[in-house]
Amino acid sequence: QSVLTQPPSASGTPGQRVTISCSGSSSNIGSNYVYWYQQLPGTAPKLLIYKNNQRPSGVPDRFSGSKSGTSASLAISGLRSEDEADYYCAAWDDSLSGVWVFGGGTKLTVL
Amino acid sequence: QVRLQESGPGLVKPSETLSLTCTVSGGSISTYYWSWIRQPPGKGLEWIGYFYYSGSTNYNPSLKSRVTISVDTSKNQVSLRLSSVTAADTAVYYCARDRSPLYDNYGLDVWGQGTTVTVSS
Repeated sequence: QSVLTQPPSASGTPGQRVTISCSGSSSNIGSNYVYWYQQLPGTAPKLLIYKNNQRPSGVPDRFSGSKSGTSASLAISGLRSEDEADYYCAAWDDSLSGVWVFGGGTKLTVL
Repeated sequence: QVRLQESGPGLVKPSETLSLTCTVSGGSISTYYWSWIRQPPGKGLEWIGYFYYSGSTNYNPSLKSRVTISVDTSKNQVSLRLSSVTAADTAVYYCARDRSPLYDNYGLDVWGQGTTVTVSS
């Protein structure tokens, strides 16, 4: 059982806009930044969004993040076949002297 | 360009100790926090713990009694030891550069490719 809650799956057709939600609590999302990671099949996770809505160099602006209260969302616009991957949200949790917590992951299928 | 490379035995017997090493190249280990994360087959990510070169550590409460993370600055390596392993510890183990709120909030921004560890007799 993951600390952050994500839907297990999402899907869309090429060109569509898809959003993935992430729900937490006051000790994690409610008081810290949210991060999103993309994991392509058979590869290591890659940082996609940091500090709620910032993109590392090289990440297309089709990917965007937002946060409100104890929830966050990842939006992918202009969906492409290469976006098919698992997406994980993460946040620092202030309980227990500070730990990273993750969502269970959302498998995105491009139809 | 910082790169991380995990290494260690791919097979560990139940009740024994899992030992992995993460070699950091392209940058000094004495600047950032370093974390280990694992992913059981077909499942999500689980944070194991972090180490800062000053000696500061913290571990996932669910693993705390069995985990030790350390750093060898002379070799630019981060090590993970997990004792009394069971089949539930079978996973891909990743090391990552950790830029948490304890540093500058840029997240787990660089990851190794991961190494698969199977616990079986």
